Amino acid sequence: EVQVVESGGGLVQPGGSLRLSCAASGFTFNMYWMHWVRQAPGKGLLWVSRIGPDATRTNYAASVKGRFTISRDNAENMLYLQMSSLTAEDTAVYYCARGTTSGATFFDSWGQGTLVTVSS
Amino acid sequence: DIQMTQSPSTLSASVGDRVTITCRASQSISSWLAWYQQKPGKVPKLLIYGASSLGSGVPSRFSGSGSGTEFTLTINSLQPDDFATYYCQQYHTDGTFGQGTKLEIK
Repeated sequence: EVQVVESGGGLVQPGGSLRLSCAASGFTFNMYWMHWVRQAPGKGLLWVSRIGPDATRTNYAASVKGRFTISRDNAENMLYLQMSSLTAEDTAVYYCARGTTSGATFFDSWGQGTLVTVSS
Repeated sequence: DIQMTQSPSTLSASVGDRVTITCRASQSISSWLAWYQQKPGKVPKLLIYGASSLGSGVPSRFSGSGSGTEFTLTINSLQPDDFATYYCQQYHTDGTFGQGTKLEIK
């Protein structure tokens, strides 16, 4: 069974940093693009970032570019999102999502999400 | 950036109805479009990809069509489990979601 489980969310002050983790299992992790998608409370979905199977290719939404860094450890089947210079607008549930092997950016498996709250 | 606009924002329907949700892209995205269903407090579920291909385990009452800039999600014979929020998402360039359509019970 495909499974992705996020962790690392919590309360952080504006301007602070946080690192999210996602543990993947049930599939050949190093063959898939992996993504972070977020959803602010009561709002819609926003694609945040993606990373290629060999970690050499990464892309970011304009709203997080330069502040967030996506990475992965294929030996440990782990995905990460390092977030810095956080603002209240970054408050959201962050989902780890499995993409495809081809690079097409749609998501067939999602984690339960981890809540990030940016507040003083 | 490619913008995605869904209509309507809210849709009221009854069990057994046939409903259609529209999604328009600000530029041509060929068939690089997916649809998701999200219930309150739950994780989004992939329904459709490639504009018309059914996701794994998705009932056949769901169907998608369109290409270029205009797309539709149709649900035939609405079931109680179908009342949820639906999102379209383009993946021609990165991934942009529509604002969502809330399907409510009439």
